[in-house]
Amino acid sequence: AQSVTQPDIHITVSEGASLELRCNYSYGATPYLFWYVQSPGQGLQLLLKYFSGDTLVQGIKGFEAEFKRSQSSFNLRKPSVHWSDAAEYFCAVPYSGTYKYIFGTGTRLKVLA
Amino acid sequence: DTGVSQNPRHKITKRGQNVTFRCDPISEHNRLYWYRQTLGQGPEFLTYFQNEAQLEKSRLLSDRFSAERPKGSFSTLEIQRTEQGDSAMYLCASSQGVSGSISGANVLTFGAGSRLTVL
Repeated sequence: AQSVTQPDIHITVSEGASLELRCNYSYGATPYLFWYVQSPGQGLQLLLKYFSGDTLVQGIKGFEAEFKRSQSSFNLRKPSVHWSDAAEYFCAVPYSGTYKYIFGTGTRLKVLA
Repeated sequence: DTGVSQNPRHKITKRGQNVTFRCDPISEHNRLYWYRQTLGQGPEFLTYFQNEAQLEKSRLLSDRFSAERPKGSFSTLEIQRTEQGDSAMYLCASSQGVSGSISGANVLTFGAGSRLTVL
């Protein structure tokens, strides 16, 4: 069965520092991969997605992610974090043979001024 | 387009009462999803509609839960005889996909959610 693991529940970084959020997936074939961001009390907003092609994908708000098949990972990165990036981040994959998408448990990002 | 709209945004109810949430998807989207999110967790899939047809339901969706999407436009999620364990954020999402295709290459657009508190 497919699964998504986000090993870090909380991450704290200083404003201006670089950021990497981890996502590991279990999937039989090449997956479609997504990162969403959720601000407090809000729904989820798509940051970026990987469907095929270049394994380094660019998203909104200066985020990027790299698909590494050998490591079953799709880590999210940002070179310089802004205070407004404080939010919860979710990695997601479709569940093969169904219409549903499964989400990781999320990583809550705190940004120190 | 105003995006995915959910109402009400907040609902406080007493145990045993019925509640109904409404979702208005992006108008050209034929796919509609309901998810539930509890504190500290990622969204959990509840059910999926393609146009007006409910094609998939999670085992999480007990018989107290019912969802409809009449005419393939807005959708409602009703919870009967609410329990304290039903307290959660209920998220609706929509996407545009090829009818009959089970491809996971769909971008979901989420609404802001409806938060339910059962006392």
